[in-house]
Amino acid sequence: DGGITQSPKYLFRKEGQNVTLSCEQNLNHDAMYWYRQDPGQGLRLIYYSQIVNDFQKGDIAEGYSVSREKKESFPLTVTSAQKNPTAFYLCASSIGGARETQYFGPGTRLLVL
Amino acid sequence: QQQVKQSPQSLIVQKGGISIINCAYENTAFDYFPWYQQFPGKGPALLIAIRPDVSEKKEGRFTISFNKSAKQFSLHIMDSQPGDSATYFCAASGGFGNEKLTFGTGTRLTIIP
Repeated sequence: DGGITQSPKYLFRKEGQNVTLSCEQNLNHDAMYWYRQDPGQGLRLIYYSQIVNDFQKGDIAEGYSVSREKKESFPLTVTSAQKNPTAFYLCASSIGGARETQYFGPGTRLLVL
Repeated sequence: QQQVKQSPQSLIVQKGGISIINCAYENTAFDYFPWYQQFPGKGPALLIAIRPDVSEKKEGRFTISFNKSAKQFSLHIMDSQPGDSATYFCAASGGFGNEKLTFGTGTRLTIIP
């Protein structure tokens, strides 16, 4: 089965802690994206990567970091600098640029203890 | 310039009726306009998309109408069914070097019997 997997489904973060959200795809897509979803605010782009070992900041990158060492994987780290991390985080991938269909994973809900 | 404004925020339609969701944009470089459908606790999925060389695109009960001069586009769901109850996002992309999708804030659609 081809698709995007995100883990964990729920994640709890303590104050001052960095946490990493996993995103894996077996669709052989070049581009991968991380979005944050808050009620009433739609999807906001955190980071995106069009090719391995390269990534760009999106609209709300502060307090987040990413890596793209493998084509299949695009993990997102929520650092302690992100003061309001509670949200639903969505990973997506596409064959190429923004005019291609983006396929989304099931999401990770991050909660702060 | 990068915003996509979506309305209404929520919509209740009777079964069998027509659901209409509207979006407006300012960036004239946008040339790709998809609609995504999201069910609770899931990632969004592409529903239908249009490019500005046509004024309308229909797929089953779903139609996108596009007005380039007004910089508006809308989603029409004919014969709305309870299974259509979901959150709908419009989006747009385009322009030199712009490999991002800009999403609207979403419309929560509820179809009542």
